[in-house]
Amino acid sequence: QVQLQESGPGLVKPSETLSLTCDVSGGSISNYYWTWIRQPPGKGLEWIGYMFYSGSPTYNPSLESRVTISIDMSKNQVSLKLSSVTGADTAVYYCARVQAVAVDDYFDSWGQGTLVTVSS
Amino acid sequence: DIQMTQSPSSLSASVGDRVTITCRASQSISTFLNWYQQKPGKAPKVLIYGASSLQSGVPSRFSGSGSGTDFTLTISSLQPEDFATYFCQQSYTTPYTFGQGTNLEIK
Repeated sequence: QVQLQESGPGLVKPSETLSLTCDVSGGSISNYYWTWIRQPPGKGLEWIGYMFYSGSPTYNPSLESRVTISIDMSKNQVSLKLSSVTGADTAVYYCARVQAVAVDDYFDSWGQGTLVTVSS
Repeated sequence: DIQMTQSPSSLSASVGDRVTITCRASQSISTFLNWYQQKPGKAPKVLIYGASSLQSGVPSRFSGSGSGTDFTLTISSLQPEDFATYFCQQSYTTPYTFGQGTNLEIK
């Protein structure tokens, strides 16, 4: 059973860069897409982007100018960087695995999420 | 972006009730539609993928149907552990998008 664990600073100052990592255990990063999703407190879910273990990332156009997703195969880690943050970026950030089947792609394993607050 | 609209936004029901939640896409997404359940302080959990396929380990009281633009999630007989927020999500095209959620509360 694959497990995902997000980690990173819980508080980031406005205009700085948010950096999170997701440790993947109990399974390999290979052969899957990995994604980041966020949820502002009390609100809905927003897809940030995804990346295949050996490919180029795809980002949500609403965040594309500020976001970078990368994978470190040697560490079994997926990373997220979001630059020039504002209060609107305050959210719980989740990493998840994308399960690709013939009929669909869906998020079948999630980390527990990590709250990042943007504040001075 | 494809807009996903759920109805109702909130719903009160009793244990044993049959409940249906609707999700409508702003354009046709075939059957690229997934349903998630989220409990307070927890990550979402997939219930249904491909509009109607039950994820392994999910109780059979959950079912999904629909194609094109209109989809439903049905819980045949509510159990106490089913009170949660439910989201639909389209994976027809990026950016993937979610419905705003349906909060299912105990009556």
